[in-house]
Amino acid sequence: NAGVTQTPKFQVLKTGQSMTLQCAQDMNHEYMSWYRQDPGMGLRLIHYSVGAGITDQGEVPNGYNVSRSTTEDFPLRLLSAAPSQTSVYFCASQSDRGQPQHFGDGTRLSIL
Amino acid sequence: GENVEQHPSTLSVQEGDSAVIKCTYSDSASNYFPWYKQELGKGPQLIIDIRSNVGEKKDQRIAVTLNKTAKHFSLHITETQPEDSAVYFCAARGQLSADGLTFGKGTHLIIQP
Repeated sequence: NAGVTQTPKFQVLKTGQSMTLQCAQDMNHEYMSWYRQDPGMGLRLIHYSVGAGITDQGEVPNGYNVSRSTTEDFPLRLLSAAPSQTSVYFCASQSDRGQPQHFGDGTRLSIL
Repeated sequence: GENVEQHPSTLSVQEGDSAVIKCTYSDSASNYFPWYKQELGKGPQLIIDIRSNVGEKKDQRIAVTLNKTAKHFSLHITETQPEDSAVYFCAARGQLSADGLTFGKGTHLIIQP
């Protein structure tokens, strides 16, 4: 009964490095989303997907890429990390647009 | 796009008292309004939600009210307990929006013993 699993839980990067944040869900949900959470800012949508092979931009997509090759996985890629991308990143899934979102426990990312 | 305002940012209440958190939204087409509780080091957990065709919903000590005319919805927690201490987020999703939720900035609820 894992739900939404995010890895890694913590990561420190240097400016300019690249990395991929992993997100997997075992609920066969079609919809998946990535958010970032910054102090006093709530959660802001980065990218989302309504099914395998389909992705779209959210409110703050710059500096991030996503792909959705399978229903289960929705990785978030930082191509060239910047200090402004220091944040806590949450992945969420839902069975369809009208249903509640289920969140993972987050990846805490620091860019030095 | 949708804009969600949440107040207060911090709320301190005595154990056993009630707590109320308020949110307003801008998109009159929004039709789904969830509330999430986030504990330290964890992801947000859905605690209650309401759809635009309902004015009030209750689940034990938690209730949510929706005023579509005023574009306003509120979370009510009665008989507060220490384990209610957390950050609470309201959110809204537009009727035609295929993307994710728009969140308020959160309320840090502190239950004083």
